[in-house]
Amino acid sequence: GAGVSQTPSNKVTEKGKYVELRCDPISGHTALYWYRQSLGQGPEFLIYFQGTGAADDSGLPNDRFFAVRPEGSVSTLKIQRTERGDSAVYLCASSLMHGNYEQYFGPGTRLTVT
Amino acid sequence: QKEVEQDPGPLSVPEGAIVSLNCTYSNSAFQYFMWYRQYSRKGPELLMYTYSSGNKEDGRFTAQVDKSSKYISLFIRDSQPSDSATYLCAMSEVGGATNKLIFGTGTLLAVQP
Repeated sequence: GAGVSQTPSNKVTEKGKYVELRCDPISGHTALYWYRQSLGQGPEFLIYFQGTGAADDSGLPNDRFFAVRPEGSVSTLKIQRTERGDSAVYLCASSLMHGNYEQYFGPGTRLTVT
Repeated sequence: QKEVEQDPGPLSVPEGAIVSLNCTYSNSAFQYFMWYRQYSRKGPELLMYTYSSGNKEDGRFTAQVDKSSKYISLFIRDSQPSDSATYLCAMSEVGGATNKLIFGTGTLLAVQP
């Protein structure tokens, strides 16, 4: 079956602009995660959705970052007033349900803020 | 100090060698342990996962967890050039509000033909 998909694959934006990154999880997976991976580092947790609600947003770095999952499937990560330090690969992962620890990752969106 | 420590490498081995990749951790609440493989400019791919201590084998790959030492390993037998990638260890606590994974920095492996 289809895996996790993310769009766009690459996004270049100017400092101060607003961006939206989209994640489409594996069909039937109710748990969805966003991570951020900087060059030479492992992914770092941002936010976790169980269904439509954000069960844990403790990894969001500041209030410029926000994510939604209105229908419990597709999720959008939103970044306001982008800064050069936001440049990274943003990864989305899904798992079957809460309590299932096998997370499957998408290919990521490479964000570059100039 | 990071919760999960992993030698970033790079690690270069000849084809057919046995590869040993390791991580240490400090959080004794970690119960799930995963290994991901990440090719350049791709997302991480789940290779193996283990719950609590013990060994798990899948083909050429063996994962080991030693909770008493807070040390996990991934062994790759008969390594192939196609195994060249970054290997990430990841861990999770059990029973909390989130199943978030805590990753190591990744070890870059190059298998020379």
